[in-house]
Amino acid sequence: AQSVTQPDIHITVSEGASLELRCNYSYGATPYLFWYVQSPGQGLQLLLKYFSGDTLVQGIKGFEAEFKRSQSSFNLRKPSVHWSDAAEYFCAVGAASYDKVIFGPGTSLSVIP
Amino acid sequence: DVKVTQSSRYLVKRTGEKVFLECVQDMDHENMFWYRQDPGLGLRLIYFSYDVKMKEKGDIPEGYSVSREKKERFSLILESASTNQTSMYLCASSLTTDEKLFFGSGTQLSVL
Repeated sequence: AQSVTQPDIHITVSEGASLELRCNYSYGATPYLFWYVQSPGQGLQLLLKYFSGDTLVQGIKGFEAEFKRSQSSFNLRKPSVHWSDAAEYFCAVGAASYDKVIFGPGTSLSVIP
Repeated sequence: DVKVTQSSRYLVKRTGEKVFLECVQDMDHENMFWYRQDPGLGLRLIYFSYDVKMKEKGDIPEGYSVSREKKERFSLILESASTNQTSMYLCASSLTTDEKLFFGSGTQLSVL
């Protein structure tokens, strides 16, 4: 069965600092991996996704993520955080067609000036 | 742009009531999902459907059922609402599993 863990419940970073949010997944085959962001009072927005090819994927808003099969990880990174990046971030894993998409518990990001 | 519409933004129900949460998408998507979102637990999958009249249990189906009579509509049913079903309910759809999910704005359900 698929599962997703996000080890960090809450992270605080200074504006302009780099960011890495961790995501580990469990799935038997090659997964489809996603990062979504939920800003306060907003719906969920897709940042990026991976399902094949280059293991480093670029997303919107300057985010990137790297798929590491050996570590079952898909960590999200941003070189310089902006105050508007304060939000809840969710990692998700999908599988083959006709199957479910499972989300992790989320990491709450706070940005201090 | 794809639109996923949930019929109610806020809903207050009594324990034991039967509750219907409706979700409609306008882009002919095959897959539809119901999640509940609780602080610290993220989004947990209740049920999903990959075709009309097809449904599959997610991770927390107990106390819920679903109906998909038409491709665009996916209903979540709480047969007998309980206080532990107080939550934010999110409906989503996607063309295929490797495509992004489009989410509705959510229904905040309170069961008293």
